[in-house]
Amino acid sequence: ETGVTQSPTHLIKTRGQQVTLRCSSQSGHNTVSWYQQALGQGPQFIFQYYREEENGRGNFPPRFSGLQFPNYSSELNVNALELDDSALYLCASSGDRVIGSPLHFGNGTRLTVT
Amino acid sequence: DAKTTQPNSMESNEEEPVHLPCNHSTISGTDYIHWYRQLPSQGPEYVIHGLTSNVNNRMASLAIAEDRKSSTLILHRATLRDAAVYYCILRDPLETSGSRLTFGEGTQLTVNP
Repeated sequence: ETGVTQSPTHLIKTRGQQVTLRCSSQSGHNTVSWYQQALGQGPQFIFQYYREEENGRGNFPPRFSGLQFPNYSSELNVNALELDDSALYLCASSGDRVIGSPLHFGNGTRLTVT
Repeated sequence: DAKTTQPNSMESNEEEPVHLPCNHSTISGTDYIHWYRQLPSQGPEYVIHGLTSNVNNRMASLAIAEDRKSSTLILHRATLRDAAVYYCILRDPLETSGSRLTFGEGTQLTVNP
């Protein structure tokens, strides 16, 4: 089975710009979630998509948005970038909405905002 | 969300067993205990999970206290590749966001050759 892949691996943006990060989930996984991981901290949940609809969000403002596509790919969009948005962004997929189904994470996109 | 408490760091020698503790005194009766680990420059990786009984898989064993207020992840023979941050996480099956994991800061495991 293919794993979760994310692109790009690294990205540098300027404050105020917009960014789109991409993720390709494992085939058959209908749920995708995104996490933000600041340096030295554990990942923080941003939101979750199930069958192309957002159905859970963490403590992140609306300028963080996402899309999920039928082909198991998804996007994280961040508008009006701030310096504090510099972090590792992780995508995770899982097979269904049943609790206990392990999450499969990609290796992330390292975003630097200058 | 119920919280977990883990030591910031632990050290082990290669080929020796490692016991990584986790306290979760406010665990609810339906919370599952999950463990993930994150190797350097990689995303988190699922290790094991359990509810009440001890669990074993090819990667590790999970020992759960009888009152469920603590658990221990056991790596039977540590290798250099096991050097990672280990996260103990509680998952509520009633949580509508099924893939919402609440990570703490985890335990940084160092394995000495």
